[in-house]
Amino acid sequence: AQSVTQLDSQVPVFEEAPVELRCNYSSSVSVYLFWYVQYPNQGLQLLLKYLSGSTLVKGINGFEAEFNKSQTSFHLRKPSVHISDTAEYFCAVSNAGGTSYGKLTFGQGTILTVHP
Amino acid sequence: ETGVTQTPRHLVMGMTNKKSLKCEQHLGHNAMYWYKQSAKKPLELMFVYSLEERVENNSVPSRFSPECPNSSHLFLHLHTLQPEDSALYLCASSQDFSGGSLYEQYFGPGTRLTVT
Repeated sequence: AQSVTQLDSQVPVFEEAPVELRCNYSSSVSVYLFWYVQYPNQGLQLLLKYLSGSTLVKGINGFEAEFNKSQTSFHLRKPSVHISDTAEYFCAVSNAGGTSYGKLTFGQGTILTVHP
Repeated sequence: ETGVTQTPRHLVMGMTNKKSLKCEQHLGHNAMYWYKQSAKKPLELMFVYSLEERVENNSVPSRFSPECPNSSHLFLHLHTLQPEDSALYLCASSQDFSGGSLYEQYFGPGTRLTVT
């Protein structure tokens, strides 16, 4: 079984400041890792993903995340946030292969609030 | 229409009503999913359809009944719901059996369901 823990339920930050949203996972097999963002009254949008290769992955809107296998972490970072980044962010994990369809396990979400 | 669409966006129903949620994907995907998003809880995977065949049913009560008539459409039929079923119901789709891209799920905006 897999699990995902997002260590902060809420993260307030000022505009143009850097931000890190933390995600840890547990799994007994190789994993794929994802970050999704949900803006108010909308569905989830994929920000970035780690499938294999370089452990530093870049996504949309200036976000990046680093896969750390030894620490089983996949923290999301942005060097300078904007008001428009205010949203809820979800970390998700999936077994790397083994099924004929995608199955994601999500964390509980982190609400990022960017203040002017 | 592009991406994944869901109708209605909002639904209020009594416990004795019968209603249906509709999801349509315009991405040429072969797998479709229903999720329940409740406040303060991680996304819960309810059902998965792969090539129009139900491949996963995560112990969902029988008052929720999914239907997938073709690879582009997914329904969730609701009857005799309980107030605790009030939530945001999200539909998603993904590509078929091609490794990492399989797990990139594209979400609709959701249907906000209130059971009175």
